[in-house]
Amino acid sequence: ETGVTQSPTHLIKTRGQQVTLRCSSQSGHNTVSWYQQALGQGPQFIFQYYREEENGRGNFPPRFSGLQFPNYSSELNVNALELDDSALYLCASKFDSGGANYGYTFGSGTRLTVV
Amino acid sequence: QKEVEQNSGPLSVPEGAIASLNCTYSDRGSQSFFWYRQYSGKSPELIMSIYSNGDKEDGRFTAQLNKASQYVSLLIRDSQPSDSATYLCADPANNAGNMLTFGGGTRLMVKP
Repeated sequence: ETGVTQSPTHLIKTRGQQVTLRCSSQSGHNTVSWYQQALGQGPQFIFQYYREEENGRGNFPPRFSGLQFPNYSSELNVNALELDDSALYLCASKFDSGGANYGYTFGSGTRLTVV
Repeated sequence: QKEVEQNSGPLSVPEGAIASLNCTYSDRGSQSFFWYRQYSGKSPELIMSIYSNGDKEDGRFTAQLNKASQYVSLLIRDSQPSDSATYLCADPANNAGNMLTFGGGTRLMVKP
């Protein structure tokens, strides 16, 4: 069972609304990334936080924002929801020592449907 | 901007056969790659990482990296029905393995 937990598992929102998705990483994982996965496609990188600071961003508009907290939890906020935002949102965390190259541990995801 | 391409499949192989999954990438500077497996309705799980040219073996899995030709492959020996899943190739943005660019994934079906 993964050490990364996400909530809620499913969510239905109306176009134009705002949503907050939450992630609890494994203890010690100082790096968290969020990915959007549309049906039948590979995950797309949204942004990454390292020690509570955003240190990388993919090709997503500013209405996608996030936070990382000292207790290894994080959240993804999406404002002004659009129909195309309907997707599986994945949180992935890891320990980044600045040297070794470790893979992420993914959470089980939040399925967001925008109607 | 990095791009990673995979044949979407499905790739169908009989049980016990070798499954060969391929991935091409655009960034000549890419140094390492990850292979993730994703069962239907589940999240990706890391299978293997490869950091240098050549082969890397882990049990029934072998990852191959050819930087000159810019492709990565994953071989699964003695394929089992439980290997049926979508396999995702990922190219990280840096040597720490962060900020992955994923391919679209190849769906593998292993038939008993």
